[in-house]
Amino acid sequence: GAGVSQSPSNKVTEKGKDVELRCDPISGHTALYWYRQSLGQGLEFLIYFQGNSAPDKSGLPSDRFSAERTGGSVSTLTIQRTQQEDSAVYLCASSLGLKNTGELFFGEGSRLTVL
Amino acid sequence: ELKVEQNPLFLSMQEGKNYTIYCNYSTTSDRLYWYRQDPGKSLESLFVLLSNGAVKQEGRLMASLDTKARLSTLHITAAVHDLSATYFCAVDQRNFGNEKLTFGTGTRLTIIP
Repeated sequence: GAGVSQSPSNKVTEKGKDVELRCDPISGHTALYWYRQSLGQGLEFLIYFQGNSAPDKSGLPSDRFSAERTGGSVSTLTIQRTQQEDSAVYLCASSLGLKNTGELFFGEGSRLTVL
Repeated sequence: ELKVEQNPLFLSMQEGKNYTIYCNYSTTSDRLYWYRQDPGKSLESLFVLLSNGAVKQEGRLMASLDTKARLSTLHITAAVHDLSATYFCAVDQRNFGNEKLTFGTGTRLTIIP
């Protein structure tokens, strides 16, 4: 399809393991965002990419979290040594930025459960 | 730091009634978005408000933006059950050097028969 694609949709892992979450944005969208949504909560900003660069990493909660984007397209969010408080839905969104309406288009999310 | 507050956080309304959800924000912005989220689903874009005084309507929902008052409203007319969802506003400061959208806390709307 033409929307934002995320994988896996669900991931259950044990505390201390590393996980990788993938996001494939809408083709041509130069801006890519990662947000986190804990159960019943709002959206917490994690990181923003413009092309392959990450001008704003201010939302990453700790140095266990990292993200990269390659080819101006696919992005991977990596969480090392997962903790139970990392359990959440990780949402990826892409945008054409202010050249257009600026709205973010969201994927279906990756639900992470850390046991 | 930008703060975005929505109220109410929870809203139960009867079918056929009207109500308004409010989104206040603390610092300058010129764009605002409204999203809908159904349980277990992702966010769906509802409205894009790109300037002061912008008003958009879709079906029973109408959104407006007052950048001077730093306030947006989402008005529901003659509510029906399928409007039950969580609604988020998102404030855009990308024209002011802040490269992310900041989301409100969300309003969980339940329409009861």
